[in-house]
Amino acid sequence: AQTVTQSQPEMSVQEAETVTLSCTYDTSENNYYLFWYKQPPSRQMILVIRQEAYKQQNATENRFSVNFQKAAKSFSLKISDSQLGDTAMYFCAFMRHSGNTPLVFGKGTRLSVIA
Amino acid sequence: SQTIHQWPATLVQPVGSPLSLECTVEGTSNPNLYWYRQAAGRGLQLLFYSVGIGQISSEVPQNLSASRPQDRQFILSSKKLLLSDSGFYLCAWSFGGAQETQYFGPGTRLLVL
Repeated sequence: AQTVTQSQPEMSVQEAETVTLSCTYDTSENNYYLFWYKQPPSRQMILVIRQEAYKQQNATENRFSVNFQKAAKSFSLKISDSQLGDTAMYFCAFMRHSGNTPLVFGKGTRLSVIA
Repeated sequence: SQTIHQWPATLVQPVGSPLSLECTVEGTSNPNLYWYRQAAGRGLQLLFYSVGIGQISSEVPQNLSASRPQDRQFILSSKKLLLSDSGFYLCAWSFGGAQETQYFGPGTRLLVL
């Protein structure tokens, strides 16, 4: 079974600074997908970024980028130029490539952006 | 474009009462549909998923059930609620037939008293 571990329950960052959220996962699969979701106080889950395991290039979406280390099974999220609106819970998630399988989530990291 | 709706947004129910939460998706056909629960201060737990009408897979045995009476409608039910059923329930969809990103609805807050 796949597991996803987020070792930082809470983090804080000053506005305009950069912060990195950690995520590790355990799987025997070779093809899979990794995601970061954001859950603001409204509690709706919003996709931040997605990475295909077969791609060596790290995914980037505006101020959000990942550091995907397949051999180390690590998938960290970097938020640059942090904004107050980035305050939220961030969840790392894993999905197998084969078959119709659901997401496996980590327990989340609560990020606070401080003015 | 696709949209996903959930209702009600908030629900307060007594222990032992029935439950029906509804999720509908617009703008796509034959989506994969999912029900997740998030207890206070915890991560998401997958409850059920469906790849087609009448096809339901259960991840966690409990007093909840799911049904998919129409292609884009997914219903979460219970005959008798327990206190432990309190939480935040999220419905999600993805394009069917392949591994695709899941998109979440706004969620339902359920409080069982």
